[in-house]
Amino acid sequence: AQSVSQHNHHVILSEAASLELGCNYSYGGTVNLFWYVQYPGQHLQLLLKYFSGDPLVKGIKGFEAEFIKSKFSFNLRKPSVQWSDTAEYFCAVKGGAGSYQLTFGKGTKLSVIP
Amino acid sequence: ETGVTQSPTHLIKTRGQQVTLRCSSQSGHNTVSWYQQALGQGPQFIFQYYREEENGRGNFPPRFSGLQFPNYSSELNVNALELDDSALYLCASSLAGLAPDTQYFGPGTRLTVL
Repeated sequence: AQSVSQHNHHVILSEAASLELGCNYSYGGTVNLFWYVQYPGQHLQLLLKYFSGDPLVKGIKGFEAEFIKSKFSFNLRKPSVQWSDTAEYFCAVKGGAGSYQLTFGKGTKLSVIP
Repeated sequence: ETGVTQSPTHLIKTRGQQVTLRCSSQSGHNTVSWYQQALGQGPQFIFQYYREEENGRGNFPPRFSGLQFPNYSSELNVNALELDDSALYLCASSLAGLAPDTQYFGPGTRLTVL
């Protein structure tokens, strides 16, 4: 069975600080990896995804994530956060071909202080 | 392009009652997945529907059931409600056959069981 671990429950940063949110997954085969974001009062939105190819993927709003297969990790990064990045961030994994379910981590709440 | 919509937004039920939640998939999508998100947790996969049949199921009891209609909209039914069923129920749609697929989420239905 696949599982996802997000290391930080709540991260508090000042504006312009750099961000890195950890995500580790457990799955033996080919994986598809996702980061979703849930802004206050809004629904889950796709931030970025990795299917294959270049392990460094870029998403919306200046976010990027790096897939490191040997470490089973898919950490999310942003060089300079803004107050508007305050949200909850979820890492999710889906197994390869034929797999249908997304398995989510518990989420990391990010609070950015102006 | 119309996104995923869900109804109702909020619902209050009492233990033992039955509830039906509805979801309209994003235009062009043919697959619907349902997730339960308890407070402070990531979404948990309930089941997925494709071509009006259940395509896969998570670790949820049979009193959680669903339907998909020819227009790809879907219903989630929960019988004999329990207090622990209180959660945000999310619907996600995707286009199967376009491997790998990406799931897009609706705003959710907040169910409270008293």
